[in-house]
Amino acid sequence: GIQVEQSPPDLILQEGANSTLRCNFSDSVNNLQWFHQNPWGQLINLFYIPSGTKQNGRLSATTVATERYSLLYISSSQTTDSGVYFCAVEHWGGGSQGNLIFGKGTKLSVKP
Amino acid sequence: EAGVTQSPTHLIKTRGQQATLRCSPISGHTSVYWYQQALGLGLQFLLWYDEGEERNRGNFPPRFSGRQFPNYSSELNVNALELEDSALYLCASSFGMLFGDGTRLSIL
Repeated sequence: GIQVEQSPPDLILQEGANSTLRCNFSDSVNNLQWFHQNPWGQLINLFYIPSGTKQNGRLSATTVATERYSLLYISSSQTTDSGVYFCAVEHWGGGSQGNLIFGKGTKLSVKP
Repeated sequence: EAGVTQSPTHLIKTRGQQATLRCSPISGHTSVYWYQQALGLGLQFLLWYDEGEERNRGNFPPRFSGRQFPNYSSELNVNALELEDSALYLCASSFGMLFGDGTRLSIL
């Protein structure tokens, strides 16, 4: 099955700093999403981005499907950005539709 | 518009018991996905229901089962509970994968 690797596993930032999170995947995908899980366990969908670039406020994401990676950019980080960021992919072949494969996540801590 | 709702928030059971978790998707969404987030194992796909049918299931034993009702709400049943079933169980609604707040299941 598809492998999803995220880096770095941990990241500590000072408030106001920028960061880039990376997601590598081992096969072609039909679906790629970025999620943020806050310290209370809530999982929030940030982007649906199987290819191309999207922006939402201080967050943006780029997926280069041909090279099998995606990047999540966080600018001017805030303490509320703390939590775990997950990349998840889906490949519709081989009976895998509906099965999002999650990476292990990047744990972000933003210090005031 | 109400989001995905899950109940109960917390559930405490003992080994060998059965647990029932519930999920209501966003109004108009016909698909429900169940995921397990166990400590050290990450988020793993459990089940996908759409239009009342089970469409796909992850690599979990048959004691994990569920169903989807005509109003598209869903139940996840876990029989013969084991200690390693302790986890956060998350339900998501349709293609956008909008998740509920989860049910935290603890097995004593």
